Amino acid sequence: QVQLQQWGAGLLKPSETLSLTCAVYGGSFSGYYWSWIRQPPGKGLEWIGEISHVESTIYNPSLKSRVTLSVDASKDQFSLKLSSVTAADTAVYYCARGTSSWYRAYFQHWGQGTLVTVSS
Amino acid sequence: DIQMTQSPSSVSASVGDRVTITCRASQGISSWLAWYQQKPGKAPKLLIYAASTLQSGVPSRFSGSGSGTDFTLTISSLQPEDFATYYCQQANSFPRTFGQGTKLDLK
Repeated sequence: QVQLQQWGAGLLKPSETLSLTCAVYGGSFSGYYWSWIRQPPGKGLEWIGEISHVESTIYNPSLKSRVTLSVDASKDQFSLKLSSVTAADTAVYYCARGTSSWYRAYFQHWGQGTLVTVSS
Repeated sequence: DIQMTQSPSSVSASVGDRVTITCRASQGISSWLAWYQQKPGKAPKLLIYAASTLQSGVPSRFSGSGSGTDFTLTISSLQPEDFATYYCQQANSFPRTFGQGTKLDLK
C-alpha cells in the first residue's frame, strides 16, 4: 500500500523560503511522477508542479520563477522549495502521485498535507 | 491554461437524492478528466478518472460521463458520508487545473 508522508516548516516570514519533503513508502519510487498541490484556506486546489525519479520537472508557469522540485531517489523522497514567500502562499501543501505512470495526473495517493502560514 | 468551471458552486440535498454536478473545460480535453471528493481537513480522494472510470473501492452510486468540454458527476442515491466538496480536474495538458469546487451539503 503506497503511503506518502510529508513534513516541513509550518510558519514562515515573508521573503523566506518554503521547504517541504515527502517520503514514499510501500511502493516503487522509480517510474512515477511526483507532484505538489496546494490549497489556500477555504479555497480550491492549485497544481504546483511534478518531478520524475530522474528529476525531469514541469512547473506551473504561475509559480515557475520561485519553485524548485528535487528528488533523492536513494531515500524515496522528493522535495519542494518555494522562494520569496508572501501571505498569498499561505496554504495546505500536499504531495501526490498518480494512479500509474500513464495516468500520472490522476492523483490517487496523497500526503497528509502541511499547513504553511506566512506571517510577519 | 485550461479553465475548469463547475456548477453549481453549492447544492443542498437529502439522503437518497440523485445529484448531478457539471464541469466545463475552456477547451477540449478528450476524456482526460478526474473527479475528487474532499472532506474538511482531509486530502482529496480520487473518485473517477478518465471521465468515467470508477476508482477501485469507490461505491457504484458514483458515476461520471462526458468528453470534450462537458462532463458530469452523478451520485445516484446520496448517503450521509457523501456530503463533502467535489472537484473536477483536467489531466490533458500542463498546468493541471482544477474546478473551483462544488459543496454538497444536507438540506
